[in-house]
Amino acid sequence: QKEVEQNSGPLSVPEGAIASLNCTYSDRGSQSFFWYRQYSGKSPELIMFIYSNGDKEDGRFTAQLNKASQYVSLLIRDSQPSDSATYLCAAGGGANNLFFGTGTRLTVIP
Amino acid sequence: KAGVTQTPRYLIKTRGQQVTLSCSPISGHRSVSWYQQTPGQGLQFLFEYFSETQRNKGNFPGRFSGRQFSNSRSEMNVSTLELGDSALYLCASKGQGNSLTEAFFGQGTRLTVV
Repeated sequence: QKEVEQNSGPLSVPEGAIASLNCTYSDRGSQSFFWYRQYSGKSPELIMFIYSNGDKEDGRFTAQLNKASQYVSLLIRDSQPSDSATYLCAAGGGANNLFFGTGTRLTVIP
Repeated sequence: KAGVTQTPRYLIKTRGQQVTLSCSPISGHRSVSWYQQTPGQGLQFLFEYFSETQRNKGNFPGRFSGRQFSNSRSEMNVSTLELGDSALYLCASKGQGNSLTEAFFGQGTRLTVV
């Protein structure tokens, strides 16, 4: 069973703070990892993807991957109320489909 | 460049009926995957099509089926609908047919079975 685990939250942070979202995966064969943001009633929107160990930064977002620990994280700096959404972690493997976690609900408090 | 288009956006069906959902991927994309999203189970993989061939299938009963046409548009069919099939059905389009390529989602079809 290929699983992706996320804390369901909710995670609340004040505006301007750093939000840290975490994800673990069980399949060591997973090669790619994706973070999607989903607003209520909307479809998932890709924010970041990462394939290699280490950090990858894109604006206020930083994805971190540690394959030895099977751990992926997403940091959101200078959090804004518009970042309030559910964040989905997904792992892609050789089967070319994505395994999703159940998502972490983030609320940024103004 | 147009995004992934799913039709219809909303559907209400009665138990026992069947339904067909449509997905048009981003132009040039050949991989289309379908997912079911429910509050309790999250996003679950249904199947993936690439160049008109089903390459992968998730753990769903045979009532769920799909196909892909030569223009990469895909349809998903659910027969003998059950109340538990009520969900948001999402399709995702990929440019390349490998796991390293990011997937882009359509707006989804909200299916309600009564």
